[in-house]
Amino acid sequence: EAGVTQFPSHSVIEKGQTVTLRCDPISGHDNLYWYRRVMGKEIKFLLHFVKESKQDESGMPNNRFLAERTGGTYSTLKVQPAELEDSGVYFCASSPTFDGPFEAFFGQGTRLTVV
Amino acid sequence: DQQVKQNSPSLSVQEGRISILNCDYTNSMFDYFLWYKKYPAEGPTFLISISSIKDKNEDGRFTVFLNKSAKHLSLHIVPSQPGDSAVYFCAASVGTFSNAGGTSYGKLTFGQGTILTVHP
Repeated sequence: EAGVTQFPSHSVIEKGQTVTLRCDPISGHDNLYWYRRVMGKEIKFLLHFVKESKQDESGMPNNRFLAERTGGTYSTLKVQPAELEDSGVYFCASSPTFDGPFEAFFGQGTRLTVV
Repeated sequence: DQQVKQNSPSLSVQEGRISILNCDYTNSMFDYFLWYKKYPAEGPTFLISISSIKDKNEDGRFTVFLNKSAKHLSLHIVPSQPGDSAVYFCAASVGTFSNAGGTSYGKLTFGQGTILTVHP
């Protein structure tokens, strides 16, 4: 079974440009999360989808970030326009919906560098 | 304000010895705790977890201990192996009652990570 897949693995863009990150969760996983790790610090939550609905977007930094999840399958995270402080590794994770806790499975991440 | 803290940025251990990684949290609402391991250029990989109703969970060489009164958890790796060298993240989650009557869990709150190096 395929794991969580993220595209691209690396992206270098100039300040002011737009970048779109994509995440394909594990098939059948209703929960999809976006996280970000900046400069070797802690991994910070950005938002949580349950199917196609945004369950929690309390971690989104500002309105330059837009996340969508089409039909409850793959998700995209668009940064427009990108700023220098947006550089970091963006992780996507997914988990099934069960009663009770279940660990999230992470993708390999997209390393975004804004220059 | 950081709700989950790993105060040791790095730990160096000899192969075969015990590795102890520590984690402290401040939010008393956390009721599920996890440890993830991360190799360079890879995403975090789930290692072991513990519910707040327990104080210990063991899986092979890995044991997680939870002290709720101290808001502290630790991960013990015995014996340590060179392949265990990685960044270890502690994470916590809050359960909420779902409309279906069960408990659902959302986001994870992570610590800063501890770099473990196991020397042959």
